[in-house]
Amino acid sequence: GAVVSQHPSWVICKSGTSVKIECRSLDFQATTMFWYRQFPKQSLMLMATSNEGSKATYEQGVEKDKFLINHASLTLSTLTVTSAHPEDSSFYICSAISGTGGSPLHFGNGTRLTVT
Amino acid sequence: AQRVTQPEKLLSVFKGAPVELKCNYSYSGSPELFWYVQYSRQRLQLLLRHISRESIKGFTADLNKGETSFHLKKPFAQEEDSAMYYCALSGDWGNQFYFGTGTSLTVIP
Repeated sequence: GAVVSQHPSWVICKSGTSVKIECRSLDFQATTMFWYRQFPKQSLMLMATSNEGSKATYEQGVEKDKFLINHASLTLSTLTVTSAHPEDSSFYICSAISGTGGSPLHFGNGTRLTVT
Repeated sequence: AQRVTQPEKLLSVFKGAPVELKCNYSYSGSPELFWYVQYSRQRLQLLLRHISRESIKGFTADLNKGETSFHLKKPFAQEEDSAMYYCALSGDWGNQFYFGTGTSLTVIP
């Protein structure tokens, strides 16, 4: 089946630094990748949608300058949390889709970010 | 606006009992509905999708457009069904996915 690899699985960084999270589709070309954030005991919150070669579409309330998304190829999308603050500590999950209109998502394992 | 609602955060049933996880949605177009499952320490994975009308691991879900529901059902729960279940909706163009808050199912032996 389709595999999405997300790296790193967990990261601890100091406040003010930037962290990059990678999301790769290993055996399929991902036309669209999604980035989610999950707070404890809450639902997956869609942060942004990225299509290869174009700018990401951010959901309302998500700071695009803080959460930089790059989807440079059909198999790689990156999320960079810039100038991280403790409130950015969360679980970030990427997912990818290989088609349109009803194709299921394939998820990465997620990244636990802790900002100290 | 909340597009996908899962009213139960926690659900416990005894092994062998029927289980139903509720999902209601709000969407003006023609959405695709999915159920995703996350077993302990594993990634989210697709359980089933309404357009395929298949049964996975004994689970079924019927899309009821009149009631805007997509409830997940299984006639006889098994211990290995204990997991977190998310109902999800994909918009017309498949470029947005919305998730419910999830239901944690515990099957009591």
